[in-house]
Amino acid sequence: NAGVTQTPKFQVLKTGQSMTLQCAQDMNHNSMYWYRQDPGMGLRLIYYSASEGTTDKGEVPNGYNVSRLNKREFSLRLESAAPSQTSVYFCASSGQGTDTQYFGPGTRLTVL
Amino acid sequence: GESVGLHLPTLSVQEGDNSIINCAYSNSASDYFIWYKQESGKGPQFIIDIRSNMDKRQGQRVTVLLNKTVKHLSLQIAATQPGDSAVYFCAGLGSGTYKYIFGTGTRLKVLA
Repeated sequence: NAGVTQTPKFQVLKTGQSMTLQCAQDMNHNSMYWYRQDPGMGLRLIYYSASEGTTDKGEVPNGYNVSRLNKREFSLRLESAAPSQTSVYFCASSGQGTDTQYFGPGTRLTVL
Repeated sequence: GESVGLHLPTLSVQEGDNSIINCAYSNSASDYFIWYKQESGKGPQFIIDIRSNMDKRQGQRVTVLLNKTVKHLSLQIAATQPGDSAVYFCAGLGSGTYKYIFGTGTRLKVLA
């Protein structure tokens, strides 16, 4: 049971490049989330998916898109990366009947 | 870790002493709270949770206290160990929502 996994762990992009961050969970959780973590700030919700087939915007969705590919996988796409998107990105999941969120190890993204 | 920021409040405690980390929340509708531990370069790790119908919950070496009157949470760590060195932050969830509000965190340093 690996919990929540994320790939890649590190990524450097140039402004305007695109990329997809991958997230998978093996806990049979319904809900999945993408957050970003910036210095001096709490985690901020980008997008979340309450269940397979649904996605909703969080606090800071601009510049991002998501896909809930199936119950296990939830990807985050940057279509045209900007330096303001330099951050650490965390994926999380929570199960039906419980509010506890479990986090992945994070992806450290730098946009030059 | 370095991704959380350079300007977090810091609590330094002697190894073996008890630690108390505090968190204030503003949303009176929050009815579920979690404490997370985040080590350098890693994702947040669940420590303990508490629902608003409780005022205290104990785990292994950790206790969470909730004071709804003043909207305050605290995390107490007994017999603090070097492995407890990390950033600790609280998160609150409003009833019927998927959106957590995260604190910025406190850095705990354990002195040998």
